[in-house]
Amino acid sequence: DSGVTQTPKHLITATGQRVTLRCSPRSGDLSVYWYQQSLDQGLQFLIQYYNGEERAKGNILERFSAQQFPDLHSELNLSSLELGDSALYFCASSPTGLGNTEAFFGQGTRLTVV
Amino acid sequence: TQLLEQSPQFLSIQEGENLTVYCNSSSVFSSLQWYRQEPGEGPVLLVTVVTGGEVKKLKRLTFQFGDARKDSSLHITAAQPGDTGLYLCAGADMEYGNKLVFGAGTILRVKS
Repeated sequence: DSGVTQTPKHLITATGQRVTLRCSPRSGDLSVYWYQQSLDQGLQFLIQYYNGEERAKGNILERFSAQQFPDLHSELNLSSLELGDSALYFCASSPTGLGNTEAFFGQGTRLTVV
Repeated sequence: TQLLEQSPQFLSIQEGENLTVYCNSSSVFSSLQWYRQEPGEGPVLLVTVVTGGEVKKLKRLTFQFGDARKDSSLHITAAQPGDTGLYLCAGADMEYGNKLVFGAGTILRVKS
């Protein structure tokens, strides 16, 4: 158990809908990363938050947004969902989010858009 | 953005064989990490290498960081079916907010 909790584990929704994925980082970790993993794209970095502030942004679509709350949990919002958004979404946390810091991953949320 | 290339993409071997997985970049990384991921699970950190030329051992796994800190390798001795999984290397992209950049991964299958 990495100590990172993601909910829900599975989500099935229709195209055009909006969903929210939730992540609770390890106790004491200030940095949260979100990744999308699909069969053809591998593990793609979406966005990173550190202590409530956006730290780095990857290839995150405009339809997607995230935030980190004062208690350090984070939410990833996906809207106007398309079939191609079906993937595994992982959250990871690390103590500082600086270089050389290891990331600890949750078990992921499997999103299926039908 | 710094990119990491892993090879081979897929490896299928018999139990007891040795293997090496490579992770290469044209850029210098301050550190590289190796993760192992099983189907339906999140990646699990195996090791972090920091110093150029560094070698770390984890039971039958040997990790090496290149002298120039641009590449790394993972060597598994006497592979076991339990080693089956997706092996990912990752490095902190110092040019872009220290985000963790992952290679595409090597799928390892060890047959008994």
